[in-house]
Amino acid sequence: EAGVAQSPRYKIIEKRQSVAFWCNPISGHATLYWYQQILGQGPKLLIQFQNNGVVDDSQLPKDRFSAERLKGVDSTLKIQPAKLEDSAVYLCASSLNVVGYTFGSGTRLTVV
Amino acid sequence: GIQVEQSPPDLILQEGANSTLRCNFSDSVNNLQWFHQNPWGQLINLFYIPSGTKQNGRLSATTVATERYSLLYISSSQTTDSGVYFCAVNAGGTSYGKLTFGQGTILTVHP
Repeated sequence: EAGVAQSPRYKIIEKRQSVAFWCNPISGHATLYWYQQILGQGPKLLIQFQNNGVVDDSQLPKDRFSAERLKGVDSTLKIQPAKLEDSAVYLCASSLNVVGYTFGSGTRLTVV
Repeated sequence: GIQVEQSPPDLILQEGANSTLRCNFSDSVNNLQWFHQNPWGQLINLFYIPSGTKQNGRLSATTVATERYSLLYISSSQTTDSGVYFCAVNAGGTSYGKLTFGQGTILTVHP
């Protein structure tokens, strides 16, 4: 089966600019997650979708981050405006149930 | 929220050596997974092991849920085993499918 697709792989932006990341989960996976991984740390959940509804966004900095999952398939994560501390790898994952987690390759964001 | 601690933080081995990585968690869990993050950043699911013992080739894992810890064993290590190993747990209840990750163990295997 095809894996979780993410794009772009790398992005460099200046602070205060905006950026968007795209994720296409494994076909049929109802649950989609966005994680943020800062260098040297484990991933941290930003937002979780079940189909096209938000299940958990308690760790999402809503003043600058937004995410949507149209039609319960693809998802987009946006940052506007970006700060230096947003430099990280943004990982998308999908699962059929709580067991079958599959991660994408991630988008490495550098804010200068 | 639930806390996850991994040890050791760093581990350096010669090819062929065996190793044990530990994961302690602060509350009961309904999901525990071990991941390997390769040098290119890809997270690979190694085991789903909320309790009991599983083996897959040179890797095996044991979780003692009542004592809130899990162990990952790597035998006859190879250079391709290098990377970061993460333990991640889900506490159930209102945490749904959310995984809380430990800080990871950085494994370096020298030829």
